[in-house]
Amino acid sequence: DAGVIQSPRHEVTEMGQEVTLRCKPISGHNSLFWYRQTMMRGLELLIYFNNNVPIDDSGMPEDRFSAKMPNASFSTLKIQPSEPRDSAVYFCASKSGGVDTQYFGPGTRLTVL
Amino acid sequence: AQSVTQLGSHVSVSEGALVLLRCNYSSSVPPYLFWYVQYPNQGLQLLLKYTTGATLVKGINGFEAEFKKSETSFHLTKPSAHMSDAAEYFCAVSGNTGTASKLTFGTGTRLQVTL
Repeated sequence: DAGVIQSPRHEVTEMGQEVTLRCKPISGHNSLFWYRQTMMRGLELLIYFNNNVPIDDSGMPEDRFSAKMPNASFSTLKIQPSEPRDSAVYFCASKSGGVDTQYFGPGTRLTVL
Repeated sequence: AQSVTQLGSHVSVSEGALVLLRCNYSSSVPPYLFWYVQYPNQGLQLLLKYTTGATLVKGINGFEAEFKKSETSFHLTKPSAHMSDAAEYFCAVSGNTGTASKLTFGTGTRLQVTL
């Protein structure tokens, strides 16, 4: 299995631009998680989906952030407009049902200038 | 509600020395406990996990952890550190109910291994 795939691996953009991060979970996994990692805040859960349905988005920082999962094999995290404080590494993780191991992707390093 | 406390944001050990990374948890339901490792510029990968059964759990790369309910702890140990163990380590807790399937992570402990 290829593992969780994230794209792009690095993104540099200017303040005010729209940013879209992409994730392909492991085939057969039915839960998908988006995390943000920064030095100041550590690892934060932004949102997670079960069977393509958003279950908990309480970690989404503000309305500029949105996430979708149109099917079982694809999810996006969008920031519009982006701000310098959004600079972080964004991870996607997936797992199968119940309390099972989450498998993390390699992350997208976002820099907003 | 669940929470995790990792004591010591940085731990430094000599190569060959015992590694001990501390984790205490709080959970309103019987917990499932995890240790993840993150190498530089990589995602997190599972070291080991406790769900039910034997309280001493063995993981990859010679690491193990013991679930102690009375102490609400799940400390990570390795008898002899190797240079390749230098990384950041995260403890995490999850409730064992279907609705509580998300992980709550600690703030991480960066392990440095010196010659």
